[in-house]
Amino acid sequence: RKEVEQDPGPFNVPEGATVAFNCTYSNSASQSFFWYRQDCRKEPKLLMSVYSSGNEDGRFTAQLNRASQYISLLIRDSKLSDSATYLCVVNIPGSARQLTFGSGTQLTVLP
Amino acid sequence: ETGVTQSPTHLIKTRGQQVTLRCSSQSGHNTVSWYQQALGQGPQFIFQYYREEENGRGNFPPRFSGLQFPNYSSELNVNALELDDSALYLCASSLASGGPIYEQYFGPGTRLTVT
Repeated sequence: RKEVEQDPGPFNVPEGATVAFNCTYSNSASQSFFWYRQDCRKEPKLLMSVYSSGNEDGRFTAQLNRASQYISLLIRDSKLSDSATYLCVVNIPGSARQLTFGSGTQLTVLP
Repeated sequence: ETGVTQSPTHLIKTRGQQVTLRCSSQSGHNTVSWYQQALGQGPQFIFQYYREEENGRGNFPPRFSGLQFPNYSSELNVNALELDDSALYLCASSLASGGPIYEQYFGPGTRLTVT
């Protein structure tokens, strides 16, 4: 079983749509969770950290369900510029503070 | 921009050769992590350096090695290159502050092609 699993998509949605991505992680001791976005042939960029109480940043809302070990990202009112690959990232506890990435979910927002 | 820089941007090497990739961390960050990203996959953790010491390693063979310098910049060295080493190599800098949230910021990457 992969440590972090995501639906690879692709998700093709019209501009203005609401889209949700889910991600599951295998290590119940994980403490830190993130969503990164990656544009084609570019580096991953931190979109948001995910807190236990859930958090919102503009059109983006992240939720964490520790009991079920899944993380979600909701994007409202999708923009063309939201087209990217969204990477679910979990920090595995330990001295290395290693980040473990999912394979990413590809989103294309259509005009 | 994250302030993390990497060089070179692109590199083509032949199987069996050795390569050195470089990373300058964001100002104030004391930790550098290296990742390998194959096409269509998420980044895979290679190793991390904190205060010039290796601070954890992923599932990569010993021919992948690294250094961190007093100014926190870092190098990734790969010996005896194999075709499967062709990938985007990313470095990420962060500040080890003892807290649970540990955000890492990535450089633009070095795209290595092994022929």
